Amino acid sequence: GEDVEQSLFLSVREGDSSVINCTYTDSSSTYLYWYKQEPGAGLQLLTYIFSNMDMKQDQRLTVLLNKKDKHLSLRIADTQTGDSAIYFCAERGNYGQNFVFGPGTRLSVLP
Amino acid sequence: AAGVIQSPRHLIKEKRETATLKCYPIPRHDTVYWYQQGPGQDPQFLISFYEKMQSDKGSIPDRFSAQQFSDYHSELNMSSLELGDSALYFCASSLGLPGQGLETQYFGPGTRLLVL
Repeated sequence: GEDVEQSLFLSVREGDSSVINCTYTDSSSTYLYWYKQEPGAGLQLLTYIFSNMDMKQDQRLTVLLNKKDKHLSLRIADTQTGDSAIYFCAERGNYGQNFVFGPGTRLSVLP
Repeated sequence: AAGVIQSPRHLIKEKRETATLKCYPIPRHDTVYWYQQGPGQDPQFLISFYEKMQSDKGSIPDRFSAQQFSDYHSELNMSSLELGDSALYFCASSLGLPGQGLETQYFGPGTRLLVL
């Protein structure tokens, strides 16, 4: 079945770059997403990328997709304390509507 | 911009009681999804509706049912509640079916259900 894996924890210093990695198994994944979840809050869509793209940049966020290795990464430049949250990678194929989420990466930003 | 609205935001029930969660999608969105997120876990897909018809089904227990109404809002009905049903329930909405390029899901704030 479909599976999405992420590292569970990441800790960075304020001002440094954060790179959160995700791997997935479904080769038919068409859309890949990054969601941010702050404590006790809902899921906030950060960005998404279509499988025919290698990279997408949106202000401080850069998404890289290696479709051959089924590897997705989210880079946050100049990480701030407000970026501390859990970041979920999610994928969906072209034939299914529901998302398959990874376990989430808890990002801690140290002053 | 209008977002997905969920009500109530918090709910406390006792075992074997029933609960109804409501979801109001973003205006003009015709697809609604329900997810359950247990403590410290990733969201798990329960069920989805497109144009008032069930379109996909995930790990939804038989004790739960859901429907989408003519105004596209959706309700998740949960009966015979168990302690393990305590979780954050998210609703998400999107426009259209896969392949139309419009199906990015936008999540509501969630309803936190606590079963005692």
